Amino acid sequence: SAVISQKPSRDICQRGTSLTIQCQVDSQVTMMFWYRQQPGQSLTLIATANQGSEATYESGFVIDKFPISRPNLTFSTLTVSNMSPEDSSIYLCSVRGRAKNIQYFGAGTRLSVL
Amino acid sequence: TQLLEQSPQFLSIQEGENLTVYCNSSSVFSSLQWYRQEPGEGPVLLVTVVTGGEVKKLKRLTFQFGDARKDSSLHITAAQPGDTGLYLCAGLYNNNDMRFGAGTRLTVKP
Repeated sequence: SAVISQKPSRDICQRGTSLTIQCQVDSQVTMMFWYRQQPGQSLTLIATANQGSEATYESGFVIDKFPISRPNLTFSTLTVSNMSPEDSSIYLCSVRGRAKNIQYFGAGTRLSVL
Repeated sequence: TQLLEQSPQFLSIQEGENLTVYCNSSSVFSSLQWYRQEPGEGPVLLVTVVTGGEVKKLKRLTFQFGDARKDSSLHITAAQPGDTGLYLCAGLYNNNDMRFGAGTRLTVKP
């Protein structure tokens, strides 16, 4: 299994500002992902974080709005840029290790934009 | 397009009742996972099924993978209030793409 630490756990931000969320894993993992989840709803994949190269974004998500870094196999960041109230959501980091059919999740970052 | 359907979306039952949640796709899964998520937490993996026809049991939870590996079910026997949460199925396809169902929000009333 993988233990994922995600920071911050929650934040309240002003419109127009940016927030960077950190994801630290206790072991090297092959794949890291960032999801968005509205309360009580399912997960929407934002992007796959690729080590040493640009992230792969899903339809509807762009790098200018959600820049992602992955400098090594255990760490990634997601920035929510120029926030608006519509960005209020839960953001989740997720990883897959050697067993590629098993995916683990962090506890999430609860973001509220005023 | 790989579409994964999960039903029901909401389920509210009394303690002691049984329930089944379904997950279906038109495509074949390499494997399928079931997660449970409680408020304030990330999804926690309950089980992974890989082989067509496979049945796994986790205490009062029974997971079944369809013979054709296109569908799965989660059955809970004698539900308890502690079972309350969001249940998510996730299918891994041959292209290594994992897709999540819409989720089933279960409430078990004492």
